[in-house]
Amino acid sequence: DAKTTQPPSMDCAEGRAANLPCNHSTISGNEYVYWYRQIHSQGPQYIIHGLKNNETNEMASLIITEDRKSSTLILPHATLRDTAVYYCIVRVAGMQGAQKLVFGQGTRLTINP
Amino acid sequence: DTGVSQNPRHKITKRGQNVTFRCDPISEHNRLYWYRQTLGQGPEFLTYFQNEAQLEKSRLLSDRFSAERPKGSFSTLEIQRTEQGDSAMYLCASRPSGGAPDTQYFGPGTRLTVL
Repeated sequence: DAKTTQPPSMDCAEGRAANLPCNHSTISGNEYVYWYRQIHSQGPQYIIHGLKNNETNEMASLIITEDRKSSTLILPHATLRDTAVYYCIVRVAGMQGAQKLVFGQGTRLTINP
Repeated sequence: DTGVSQNPRHKITKRGQNVTFRCDPISEHNRLYWYRQTLGQGPEFLTYFQNEAQLEKSRLLSDRFSAERPKGSFSTLEIQRTEQGDSAMYLCASRPSGGAPDTQYFGPGTRLTVL
């Protein structure tokens, strides 16, 4: 699985959009970008994933650059409950085998009132 | 919809004791994972089950660790002769076979403190 690079921490004001970047310059053509988050003292929670098209769901939007070497997770209207560590993970999906998740250190996002 | 549950949520033990944790995955999820997370780090993969078969183990899983999933439903993780370095959050995750979005659903974890 390709390696990802994320800033260690970010701050965002409540109600504003939070934009979390992730670099994955060695991503392969069949690797997806996944985002998970971990709120303090809880297990990680799946947010969204994508291959090359931008994706949106009820939680967030994922913007992947055309060369797929980086992506941005967007929380459109951040709330205090979005304070968490956000992990960007790159891996091949849908194949046999364990498909274990390889977490980096993530970005600690703090939403300020 | 019940999610992944783990018991106990917290465990304090003395060095050298044995401990056992339980994970109940989401029903119908035939794939189950154990991860370990130390303070300030992301979770690290320990082992993976497909139904009752343990198909992959990390080298982090020393011979003091054993995991089982006897009937392909709940799973247990046992640590024998605990050491202070075993202090961590132990996370369980499950997912269904195949299908999109191919994600893992995590439980709340068991926090182990070895004194």
